[in-house]
Amino acid sequence: DGGITQSPKYLFRKEGQNVTLSCEQNLNHDAMYWYRQDPGQGLRLIYYSQIVNDFQKGDIAEGYSVSREKKESFPLTVTSAQKNPTAFYLCASSMGEGQPQHFGDGTRLSIL
Amino acid sequence: GEDVEQSLFLSVREGDSSVINCTYTDSSSTYLYWYKQEPGAGLQLLTYIFSNMDMKQDQRLTVLLNKKDKHLSLRIADTQTGDSAIYFCAEILDTGRRALTFGSGTRLQVQP
Repeated sequence: DGGITQSPKYLFRKEGQNVTLSCEQNLNHDAMYWYRQDPGQGLRLIYYSQIVNDFQKGDIAEGYSVSREKKESFPLTVTSAQKNPTAFYLCASSMGEGQPQHFGDGTRLSIL
Repeated sequence: GEDVEQSLFLSVREGDSSVINCTYTDSSSTYLYWYKQEPGAGLQLLTYIFSNMDMKQDQRLTVLLNKKDKHLSLRIADTQTGDSAIYFCAEILDTGRRALTFGSGTRLQVQP
């Protein structure tokens, strides 16, 4: 089945540690996105990529980094500079800019 | 500027119709979306409407768009307990980054 796979489902981070969230899609979509969701709130855009080897900052990029070396993969690193990383992280992809976005099942990140 | 607003909560009885409302402020929106999120899960695309349309119907779902008032609604006919979830409206602008801007979500509770 085609879809978006996020892993792990749950992740725990120690103080001062970087962690990487995985997002893989086999939909042959060009565009990929990372969103953060806090309790009772909508989604906020962290980073997005419209094409391989290119990405742009969203509204809350500070403390995060991404790479887009392959079309299928868009990993997100939560760095130690992100002081409040506890949240639900959602990855999405679309055929192109302005097209409907399809979401993975999310990764819940917590601080130890 | 970009702002999408939704009411926080809606409660209906099983079998009734549900109407979830959304207002947006940017007239350059091109597509407007409705997503459904069940607890601990990602977002499921329900339907979307292009800004030059007034209405779109898809089985039990009807989307109405009043572009003059910047008002979007989602009507769910014959609401079932399985429809209980959080519903997000989102827009994509015609200019700028062309990523989704979300409302904060409406929690729909369906009582048997």
